[in-house]
Amino acid sequence: ELKVEQNPLFLSMQEGKNYTIYCNYSTTSDRLYWYRQDPGKSLESLFVLLSNGAVKQEGRLMASLDTKARLSTLHITAAVHDLSATYFCAVALNNDMRFGAGTRLTVKP
Amino acid sequence: NAGVTQTPKFRVLKTGQSMTLLCAQDMNHEYMYWYRQDPGMGLRLIHYSVGEGTTAKGEVPDGYNVSRLKKQNFLLGLESAAPSQTSVYFCASSRPPGAGADTQYFGPGTRLTVL
Repeated sequence: ELKVEQNPLFLSMQEGKNYTIYCNYSTTSDRLYWYRQDPGKSLESLFVLLSNGAVKQEGRLMASLDTKARLSTLHITAAVHDLSATYFCAVALNNDMRFGAGTRLTVKP
Repeated sequence: NAGVTQTPKFRVLKTGQSMTLLCAQDMNHEYMYWYRQDPGMGLRLIHYSVGEGTTAKGEVPDGYNVSRLKKQNFLLGLESAAPSQTSVYFCASSRPPGAGADTQYFGPGTRLTVL
């Protein structure tokens, strides 16, 4: 069964600091996604990672994928308050999608 | 383009009542999905469809039915609502996987309360 674990579940950061969110999954997957959700809102796509060693960057966020370790990371560089949100990773196997429980990130001044 | 829309945005049901949630997308996407989101549990896939006239079960399909009679619409039905179905329901659509751009586009959500 495909399982996805994220950690940490809660993260409080100071502005300007760096941190990494981890996403582990249990079985071989076709592809991995990262999403952002603001409170009371819908989900917004951040990255799609398709192959081993894939790295994508957008602004202060960088995502990577290690399919051998079944691990994806979302690295935050020099955090700013606007990055406060819940971040989800999701893993696809065929057409089945499994989401992690999410990491609630709070960036404090 | 409106993207993905959901109707209704809020609904309160009594146990045993039935209802249908409507999802519509104007991006000509083949794939559509229904999820539920409960506090602290992320999203869980209920049913999905890879094309008009086809549907398949996801992780938590019990108590729900779906139909995809038109490519742009995906309906989620609750035949006999239960309090355990109190949740926020999200619809999503995407291109087929393998295109390299199969990210899912989500609707605004429907908040359902079953009393």
